[in-house]
Amino acid sequence: DTEVTQTPKHLVMGMTNKKSLKCEQHMGHRAMYWYKQKAKKPPELMFVYSYEKLSINESVPSRFSPECPNSSLLNLHLHALQPEDSALYLCASSQVITRTGETQYFGPGTRLLVL
Amino acid sequence: AQTVTQSQPEMSVQEAETVTLSCTYDTSESDYYLFWYKQPPSRQMILVIRQEAYKQQNATENRFSVNFQKAAKSFSLKISDSQLGDAAMYFCAYRSARRYGGSQGNLIFGKGTKLSVKP
Repeated sequence: DTEVTQTPKHLVMGMTNKKSLKCEQHMGHRAMYWYKQKAKKPPELMFVYSYEKLSINESVPSRFSPECPNSSLLNLHLHALQPEDSALYLCASSQVITRTGETQYFGPGTRLLVL
Repeated sequence: AQTVTQSQPEMSVQEAETVTLSCTYDTSESDYYLFWYKQPPSRQMILVIRQEAYKQQNATENRFSVNFQKAAKSFSLKISDSQLGDAAMYFCAYRSARRYGGSQGNLIFGKGTKLSVKP
């Protein structure tokens, strides 16, 4: 089973709203990732968690707040977003990132529209 | 810094024919991994094939195979017997095999090639 699930599939929010994106995997992976993808562009890495601890933050604005409550779940809390934050948000997971060459498995994404 | 280049923004192939998508990369490292991901209109990123740089043998996965030329830093994807379901954006990606630290373990993506399959 190489399934990563994400909810919701679509999200529309105003700039003053607070919302959360959720990601779940049951492959025993201990590394999880958030990517942002704009239309017709490759994914851009936002955050990496390893063993439920944040290991990379690619200079992402503080209006994005990640959380990894356990080894299977990854959340992305959104607050006071801007219209330019509208994008597809992809979650991925892999085996522990201290090993080499782990394949990342992606979820279907959440399409976010900020009005 | 490593870079990945996909020089073909769009490609088209007739159903049942063969098509090759090109990818070149730049790195000073000798040990790394290369991937092809497929992203159909549903937007889910699906792994197509993976290649370890230390392996000379080209990876294959059913109708998908790669031509890995390490010296030339080239990693092309060949799709045989193309099917309508192969229509998608294809991304080539690089990942360092260094022990993880900072951004060295990140996936570095090319800009993608949009493949259309004609019936």
